[in-house]
Amino acid sequence: DAMVIQNPRYQVTQFGKPVTLSCSQTLNHNVMYWYQQKSSQAPKLLFHYYDKDFNNEADTPDNFQSRRPNTSFCFLDIRSPGLGDTAMYLCATSGDRGSAETQYFGPGTRLLVL
Amino acid sequence: AQSVSQHNHHVILSEAASLELGCNYSYGGTVNLFWYVQYPGQHLQLLLKYFSGDPLVKGIKGFEAEFIKSKFSFNLRKPSVQWSDTAEYFCAVISAPGNTGKLIFGQGTTLQVKP
Repeated sequence: DAMVIQNPRYQVTQFGKPVTLSCSQTLNHNVMYWYQQKSSQAPKLLFHYYDKDFNNEADTPDNFQSRRPNTSFCFLDIRSPGLGDTAMYLCATSGDRGSAETQYFGPGTRLLVL
Repeated sequence: AQSVSQHNHHVILSEAASLELGCNYSYGGTVNLFWYVQYPGQHLQLLLKYFSGDPLVKGIKGFEAEFIKSKFSFNLRKPSVQWSDTAEYFCAVISAPGNTGKLIFGQGTTLQVKP
């Protein structure tokens, strides 16, 4: 009964080689989020989709892009990964963006950039 | 800017000990507050949340947290921990009311419960 699924769970890529991480959800939620969590740090929001509306955080590097082709799927594209992009990437969903909404998280994709 | 501080990065307790994990936030306006838990090998999941009413909120698995507005704190408590409570615990805030969905997380506290 997985609700938020992330693939792959582990990804190794080379410096500068584009990589795409996938998130899918069975909750039919309007909002999908991508967080980056570096080692021993707090998860940090990169961007989110409210339905088809893309909302980028001001400090998210241009290197990070996202696509949401339909309600169920959302992708994180890293165009030219640097060593500093090694991190856990978390996808989350919520029914709406209200401040009382619960966000439901996937298991994460651990990305290693060599 | 909003920030969340969790004072203890790593806590080790024996079973049946009492637990209190500290969380303080920095924000001048109204916030909603959350505790999320991540058990080993699993995803982040909601433990409890506060957005209005009684400042003492109860969550799953016997956890509770108290919102003290004057101290900007939202500490997590459990009277008697079990080995199965071994996990990483994250405090998070979001400005309220709002429609950004932007959770600000603390760095997390790793709790290890010895059997």
